[in-house]
Amino acid sequence: AQTVTQSQPEMSVQEAETVTLSCTYDTSESNYYLFWYKQPPSRQMILVIRQEAYKQQNATENRFSVNFQKAAKSFSLKISDSQLGDTAMYFCAFMKRDNAGNMLTFGGGTRLMVKP
Amino acid sequence: GAGVSQSPSNKVTEKGKDVELRCDPISGHTALYWYRQSLGQGLEFLIYFQGNSAPDKSGLPSDRFSAERTGGSVSTLTIQRTQQEDSAVYLCASIAGAGGSDTQYFGPGTRLTVL
Repeated sequence: AQTVTQSQPEMSVQEAETVTLSCTYDTSESNYYLFWYKQPPSRQMILVIRQEAYKQQNATENRFSVNFQKAAKSFSLKISDSQLGDTAMYFCAFMKRDNAGNMLTFGGGTRLMVKP
Repeated sequence: GAGVSQSPSNKVTEKGKDVELRCDPISGHTALYWYRQSLGQGLEFLIYFQGNSAPDKSGLPSDRFSAERTGGSVSTLTIQRTQQEDSAVYLCASIAGAGGSDTQYFGPGTRLTVL
């Protein structure tokens, strides 16, 4: 079984600053995906970024980037130039990659507040 | 087409009543998942449907929970004899195909409150 841990229940950052959210995971699988989802007050889970474990290059999506350390089983999210609209819950999630569709295993979430 | 939709958005029920929650996946998506998001337990997997295969029910917390998917599209999650601990947000997600290679897209969830 997989476990995902987010050690920061809450964080805050000033608008335009950079913030990093931490995530660690435990698995015996070698082939998997990692995701960051954002959940604003609307409850809608929105994909922020995804990383394939077999890729060494860190994924980036505009202001969002990850630091994927496979050996350390660490997958942190960096948000640059933070905006008020980034205020939300952020969930790190793990998914095995095989021929069956697999469920996501989520961390406990980090509540991020961007302050003006 | 449109994203994943769920109904109702909010449901308040009395303890002991049955409830049905509905999920309409993205058109053409073959796989569908149900998750539960509660204050004490975080986000947890409930059940998974893939095409015509038997569903993976390994996450259902008790036999009061069941789900079906009709015609490979719409899914209904049923909770019988609801208990207060069933209060949570129930999220549905769909992906385009099997193989664990696709991103899950989520609906807005149904907030269930059991009084």
